[in-house]
Amino acid sequence: GDSVTQMEGPVTLSEEAFLTINCTYTATGYPSLFWYVQYPGEGLQLLLKATKADDKGSNKGFEATYRKETTSFHLEKGSVQVSDSAVYFCALSDDYKLSFGAGTTVTVRA
Amino acid sequence: NAGVTQTPKFQVLKTGQSMTLQCAQDMNHNSMYWYRQDPGMGLRLIYYSASEGTTDKGEVPNGYNVSRLNKREFSLRLESAAPSQTSVYFCASSETLGRREQFFGPGTRLTVL
Repeated sequence: GDSVTQMEGPVTLSEEAFLTINCTYTATGYPSLFWYVQYPGEGLQLLLKATKADDKGSNKGFEATYRKETTSFHLEKGSVQVSDSAVYFCALSDDYKLSFGAGTTVTVRA
Repeated sequence: NAGVTQTPKFQVLKTGQSMTLQCAQDMNHNSMYWYRQDPGMGLRLIYYSASEGTTDKGEVPNGYNVSRLNKREFSLRLESAAPSQTSVYFCASSETLGRREQFFGPGTRLTVL
């Protein structure tokens, strides 16, 4: 079945540091890929998405590129802020449901 | 627009008690979902409803039932709660099934003693 593996946390960074969260997937078809973010005490919000190979999703300074050859969708941000502290989930969808990774907790310190 | 709303936000039950979690969306979406979130496991799909009048099992349906009351509302029922059902429950909706963005509610934190 479909599955998503993302790098384990927690990750602690200083403000303005570079952030990378690795995500790889296994799927039989051609899934759409997503990054969701969950701020403390809230539900999940879509951060960015990509629907086909080589697509780049971007939002709020975050980027991720759909790499079919390496089955990856790594999340990057060049300069993080304290407000980026959250749990980040990589997910894929190829039919009716989202399959989520375990989530990566990111803490950014001033 | 409120998006996806869930009630209650918090609930404590004793083993064997029953309860219903409510979910409503005002985005005119056809499809709705119930997930549970457990530490280190991401979110897992319990049940989903492709459209009004249909429901189907997800990955972890045992111990739950659902009702798609109308296009807006999708409820999740625990008939006899067990400690293993202690979790955070999220409702979500999307325009249709398929590779679509899903919009999530704020969650219900349930503790079963």
